[in-house]
Amino acid sequence: GIQVEQSPPDLILQEGANSTLRCNFSDSVNNLQWFHQNPWGQLINLFYIPSGTKQNGRLSATTVATERYSLLYISSSQTTDSGVYFCAVERFGNEKLTFGTGTRLTIIP
Amino acid sequence: EPEVTQTPSHQVTQMGQEVILRCVPISNHLYFYWYRQILGQKVEFLVSFYNNEISEKSEIFDDQFSVERPDGSNFTLKIRSTKLEDSAMYFCASGGAEAFFGQGTRLTVV
Repeated sequence: GIQVEQSPPDLILQEGANSTLRCNFSDSVNNLQWFHQNPWGQLINLFYIPSGTKQNGRLSATTVATERYSLLYISSSQTTDSGVYFCAVERFGNEKLTFGTGTRLTIIP
Repeated sequence: EPEVTQTPSHQVTQMGQEVILRCVPISNHLYFYWYRQILGQKVEFLVSFYNNEISEKSEIFDDQFSVERPDGSNFTLKIRSTKLEDSAMYFCASGGAEAFFGQGTRLTVV
């Protein structure tokens, strides 16, 4: 099956710092989504981004499908950004999402 | 904003008992899914459901599990004869191109 690797696995930052999270995948995909899992375990949709660049407030994401990676940028981090960030991909012809291993982000006041 | 709703949010059950996890997907979505996440691990696909039948299932989704869409709004996951290792967060999702997840049901088997 498709492999999805995220880096770094853990990231600890001061409030106000910027960060870049990376997602590499091993095969062509027709769907890529970024999620934030909050401390209560909920999976919050951040971006649906099979290709290109999108921005939503302090967050933005870029997917380069031909090179099989996606980046999530968080600027001016806040403590509420803490949690685990997952990317998930869907291969052509499949209907399921395959999740990466996640990046645990901790923002310190 | 429409959302996927799951009940209950927490369930504790005795080993060997049957549990039914319930989900109300977003109303105009055609694809429904169940995923699970064992504590501290990544989210794993269990099953997808389209046009009133299973369209894909993982190797985890064995005879212990079943899914049903009993009416036009609900989507359920039944786990028979629960085991300790079934303890996990179970997520329902619905969508088309983009999947939207419910808040999860935390199942604890004791």
